[in-house]
Amino acid sequence: NAGVTQTPKFQVLKTGQSMTLQCAQDMNHNSMYWYRQDPGMGLRLIYYSASEGTTDKGEVPNGYNVSRLNKREFSLRLESAAPSQTSVYFCASRRLAGKEETQYFGPGTRLLVL
Amino acid sequence: GNSVTQMEGPVTLSEEAFLTINCTYTATGYPSLFWYVQYPGEGLQLLLKATKADDKGSNKGFEATYRKETTSFHLEKGSVQVSDSAVYFCASSSASKIIFGSGTRLSIRP
Repeated sequence: NAGVTQTPKFQVLKTGQSMTLQCAQDMNHNSMYWYRQDPGMGLRLIYYSASEGTTDKGEVPNGYNVSRLNKREFSLRLESAAPSQTSVYFCASRRLAGKEETQYFGPGTRLLVL
Repeated sequence: GNSVTQMEGPVTLSEEAFLTINCTYTATGYPSLFWYVQYPGEGLQLLLKATKADDKGSNKGFEATYRKETTSFHLEKGSVQVSDSAVYFCASSSASKIIFGSGTRLSIRP
């Protein structure tokens, strides 16, 4: 049981390049999330998927796209990277059973856009 | 919509001091409330949670009580250790997502 896994751990891109951040969870959770973390700004929600087959915008969706490939996998794509997208990206999945809920985070992907 | 406001850091304390990190929330309805901890270079880990008013969440000596009347969920620990140095995030949940505060960096001096 690996929990939430993310690849890659680190990435350096040039402005205008594209890339896809991968996320997978093995806990059979319905909901999955992508956040970015910048110094002094906490975690900001980029996109989320409440269930397989659905995706919705969060606070800061511009410049990103997502795909919920199946129940396990939720990828984040940067079509044309910009320096403002330099950040640490966290994927998370959420178990919701009545009022009992817990959100689990991956280890993060550090992205530098030059 | 829902929002979370928490005490700005950094907070620096000596070992064995008493810790309070303030957190208040705004929400429609009755969200679940959480404290997450992030150690250097790692992702966030759930520290404790409370799902209804007057519930107390506790873990590793940390406690927080869900106060509906003051819309607060302050984090406390009676005697902090150097190993508690980390960033702490308060969060509240809605049906579809969890909203995080901006985080409070805590540093403990030996």
